[in-house]
Amino acid sequence: DTGVSQDPRHKITKRGQNVTFRCDPISEHNRLYWYRQTLGQGPEFLTYFQNEAQLEKSRLLSDRFSAERPKGSFSTLEIQRTEQGDSAMYLCASSLAIAGYNEQFFGPGTRLTVL
Amino acid sequence: KQEVTQIPAALSVPEGENLVLNCSFTDSAIYNLQWFRQDPGKGLTSLLLIQSSQREQTSGRLNASLDKSSGRSTLYIAASQPGDSATYLCAVLYNQGGKLIFGQGTELSVKP
Repeated sequence: DTGVSQDPRHKITKRGQNVTFRCDPISEHNRLYWYRQTLGQGPEFLTYFQNEAQLEKSRLLSDRFSAERPKGSFSTLEIQRTEQGDSAMYLCASSLAIAGYNEQFFGPGTRLTVL
Repeated sequence: KQEVTQIPAALSVPEGENLVLNCSFTDSAIYNLQWFRQDPGKGLTSLLLIQSSQREQTSGRLNASLDKSSGRSTLYIAASQPGDSATYLCAVLYNQGGKLIFGQGTELSVKP
């Protein structure tokens, strides 16, 4: 499968625990994005990377959230001290942004439930 | 503020009907616009991308149009089928590198 992959697909955790999600982009894609989607809403941007550099972070990304993309390949999103309000679908996307073109392709998402 | 709105929020049609989904955006200085499909509990599948310089794109039974001056895009689905039932999301990119801004989606149900 050459699409965007995410792991795990589902995560149930207790409030206060830390969780980490992984995203593997389409190979050769230089940009990687994280979004969060709650029920009945469109996805909301969290952060994005060009290669290993984190270029933009949303104000939605509180200090409990951290994302990395070491070596410009896969990315991880960590949430510390989870809260019930963090329950959502976390979506990863990647793109090959070249002159005049940037189409984002999404993975299947990680569904987080905080009890 | 850059916002994207989709109307209606939900739509139910009989099989075989042609239909139009609407998307409007507040800032016309877009880079591109993408239409996505999302099945329940799943990720997003890209359907069509329209560059800011284009007026429309077609893929099979789908046709998307873009009118930047009025801040509108439409997704036309011809001869709808029950398998088309899903949520359709419109998303706008305002600069090449950055974030997509999504509408809330239109939940489509096609009845056999």
